[in-house]
Amino acid sequence: DTEVTQTPKHLVMGMTNKKSLKCEQHMGHRAMYWYKQKAKKPPELMFVYSYEKLSINESVPSRFSPECPNSSLLNLHLHALQPEDSALYLCASSQSKGVTQYFGPGTRLLVL
Amino acid sequence: QKEVEQDPGPLSVPEGAIVSLNCTYSNSAFQYFMWYRQYSRKGPELLMYTYSSGNKEDGRFTAQVDKSSKYISLFIRDSQPSDSATYLCALTNTGFQKLVFGTGTRLLVSP
Repeated sequence: DTEVTQTPKHLVMGMTNKKSLKCEQHMGHRAMYWYKQKAKKPPELMFVYSYEKLSINESVPSRFSPECPNSSLLNLHLHALQPEDSALYLCASSQSKGVTQYFGPGTRLLVL
Repeated sequence: QKEVEQDPGPLSVPEGAIVSLNCTYSNSAFQYFMWYRQYSRKGPELLMYTYSSGNKEDGRFTAQVDKSSKYISLFIRDSQPSDSATYLCALTNTGFQKLVFGTGTRLLVSP
């Protein structure tokens, strides 16, 4: 099973709201990733967790706050977002030193 | 110069055609080469994964890597309308968790 699940599928939020995106995998992968993808662009890496510890932060604004409660779950907490943050947010996972990443279906976020 | 170059297309072909999708790259340290397929408004799906140079075949798909030319290809035989999607190449090194993506090529297969 190479499935990564993400909830919700769609999210509309105002600039003052707080919301969270969730990601789950049961492949035993120990690395998990958050990407942001704008229309007609490739995914852009935001964060990497390795063994539940944050290993890469691609200088993402603090209004995005990642959390890895356990090896299967990854959250992205959102607060005070801007309209330009509207995008498809993708979660991915891989073996700890694996190079092949498996992506979830994404959460389509619209910030009004 | 971008690390990975990929023609954005769109590439339009009739059903049954052989499709060739390509990426060029500049960093000779890349050792792992992947192709992802992404349908509209969906997450990328891993299609093929190749280590170093050579060919790899999986059904109608063949991935080819030429490290001497820094050129990778994905061939699709007997293309189907269901192959219509954006194809992204992704490259990385051993021990790195960052994938470097091409811009993606949009493929349209008409019945």
